[in-house]
Amino acid sequence: DTEVTQTPKHLVMGMTNKKSLKCEQHMGHRAMYWYKQKAKKPPELMFVYSYEKLSINESVPSRFSPECPNSSLLNLHLHALQPEDSALYLCASSPRFGGGSYEQYFGPGTRLTVT
Amino acid sequence: GESVGLHLPTLSVQEGDNSIINCAYSNSASDYFIWYKQESGKGPQFIIDIRSNMDKRQGQRVTVLLNKTVKHLSLQIAATQPGDSAVYFCAEGALSGGYNKLIFGAGTRLAVHP
Repeated sequence: DTEVTQTPKHLVMGMTNKKSLKCEQHMGHRAMYWYKQKAKKPPELMFVYSYEKLSINESVPSRFSPECPNSSLLNLHLHALQPEDSALYLCASSPRFGGGSYEQYFGPGTRLTVT
Repeated sequence: GESVGLHLPTLSVQEGDNSIINCAYSNSASDYFIWYKQESGKGPQFIIDIRSNMDKRQGQRVTVLLNKTVKHLSLQIAATQPGDSAVYFCAEGALSGGYNKLIFGAGTRLAVHP
């Protein structure tokens, strides 16, 4: 199984809403990532979890709150978002973070629209 | 800072022709390179990777070439098919901000015409 799954596929939320994005992988990978991708742009790294611990926060605003409940699951909690946060949010995983093993497997993404 | 760029933002080819997508990178210390394919509405899909101790690697219908002298990476797709139409991203694995991460290029759109 080389699949990373993400739910929901689409999400529309108001600026006062609280919502969560979910990501799951069963490849035994110990590193998981959140990326943000705007239209016609490459993915931008947001967060990295390594062995369920937050390793990297790329100066992401606190209205985005990641969580890694276990080695297979990764959540992104959203609160008080702005319209400019509308984007495709991608989850990825890799066997480990750093140490020479970089291949990352991406999920299909959640298309988020903030109204 | 480090950057990975592409020579051509859009590439149009005829079905059956070979395609070559190019990528320039600036970090000479990068030791890992990867190509992704992203179809509309989907996440990036791993195509092929190569480490800096190699200059060529082949997969099914795809070949990646690495020229470290001029810091250039290319993806060759043989007998291009309509299903190959997508945006292709190169990425380099390098130290940035004190840790290893993938740095993505801007992307090239490949359009395959029948």
